[in-house]
Amino acid sequence: EPEVTQTPSHQVTQMGQEVILRCVPISNHLYFYWYRQILGQKVEFLVSFYNNEISEKSEIFDDQFSVERPDGSNFTLKIRSTKLEDSAMYFCASSARGEAVEEQFFGPGTRLTVL
Amino acid sequence: AQSVTQLGSHVSVSEGALVLLRCNYSSSVPPYLFWYVQYPNQGLQLLLKYTSAATLVKGINGFEAEFKKSETSFHLTKPSAHMSDAAEYFCAVSVNTGGFKTIFGAGTRLFVKA
Repeated sequence: EPEVTQTPSHQVTQMGQEVILRCVPISNHLYFYWYRQILGQKVEFLVSFYNNEISEKSEIFDDQFSVERPDGSNFTLKIRSTKLEDSAMYFCASSARGEAVEEQFFGPGTRLTVL
Repeated sequence: AQSVTQLGSHVSVSEGALVLLRCNYSSSVPPYLFWYVQYPNQGLQLLLKYTSAATLVKGINGFEAEFKKSETSFHLTKPSAHMSDAAEYFCAVSVNTGGFKTIFGAGTRLFVKA
């Protein structure tokens, strides 16, 4: 069964460093998403992406964040200068269509720890 | 704006007992509602979704949820808990507003006792 994969499963970085979180969405999906979950808190929407453009983004997704689909399979989230408060689990998701009713398929997450 | 509140961060039931996980939502437009489950070290998996076709929605693994507009609720139930149901459960709301965002609740961890 097709699934969304994410690498690495755990990333440890120093404050101020850049990190890139990688995701491989389901191959025939066209819409991609990033969410994060700070420990003990809600899963929060960060950004949605379609046709090489950001469709929606939340207030969390400020200038230190960027997303890219560098090739036909990967979807990446870059954090330019990490802060302690960026420590969280980051989930990638994909869907076949970009509609509110559509099921999103989630990866297992990358746990980011900023020291 | 939409929001979701899940009552109870932890719920513990005995094997064979009724499972009830509570979710209340807020939305200014007709919502789509979802329940996702997360097993350890895995991504979120869809259990069921409400799309306005029917207020009682049946999902996988014997779970169902009832949409009650008057109570703005979408509680998840299962008549008889199984050990394999132990996981974290997330309620989510999504609406079409040109684009859309999916807003998740904080999650409820379900423990099942033998």
